Amino acid sequence: KAGVTQTPRYLIKTRGQQVTLSCSPISGHRSVSWYQQTPGQGLQFLFEYFSETQRNKGNFPGRFSGRQFSNSRSEMNVSTLELGDSALYLCASSLEASGGAETQYFGPGTRLLVL
Amino acid sequence: GEDVEQSLFLSVREGDSSVINCTYTDSSSTYLYWYKQEPGAGLQLLTYIFSNMDMKQDQRLTVLLNKKDKHLSLRIADTQTGDSAIYFCAESSPGGYQKVTFGIGTKLQVIP
Repeated sequence: KAGVTQTPRYLIKTRGQQVTLSCSPISGHRSVSWYQQTPGQGLQFLFEYFSETQRNKGNFPGRFSGRQFSNSRSEMNVSTLELGDSALYLCASSLEASGGAETQYFGPGTRLLVL
Repeated sequence: GEDVEQSLFLSVREGDSSVINCTYTDSSSTYLYWYKQEPGAGLQLLTYIFSNMDMKQDQRLTVLLNKKDKHLSLRIADTQTGDSAIYFCAESSPGGYQKVTFGIGTKLQVIP
């Protein structure tokens, strides 16, 4: 079974631009979560989608948004990029996300550099 | 809010045991996890423990949980150079819908 895939793997943007990142979960997984990883802040939860609905959201500004499609693929969008948005963006999928020890499978991430 | 803390760096000699420690603040945490991240890769779930357990062993990995002190540890026996990675402690709360809170990660360096 193919793992979680994220595209693109690397991205360079300039301040003020917007960016869209894509995540394809493991086949059959309906929950997709997004995290931002930076050296100073570690992993921070962005949001989680299940059956095309955002069920949980972290403490990020409205410039960060996402969506999930009927095939469970998910995209996240960052508008008006700032230098501080440079990070590794990780996507994770799980089967049902019941709130228990649902194993999350992580993709390799998209490394975004904002100049 | 929830907070998970862990030390930033640990260095051990190959063959020795490694112990990575973590503290958390959310007393309602139900599951606690250890993830491993190798360079250029995503996170890999190593093991998890339910909050009503004190210990869990899985081959070379032993997880100890002190719920009273909100302290979690991961012991790796016979540490190998392939164990060099960043280890993340994480916790989830009831009904958290995968809102998992991660620590900043402990970089484990194994010296041959």
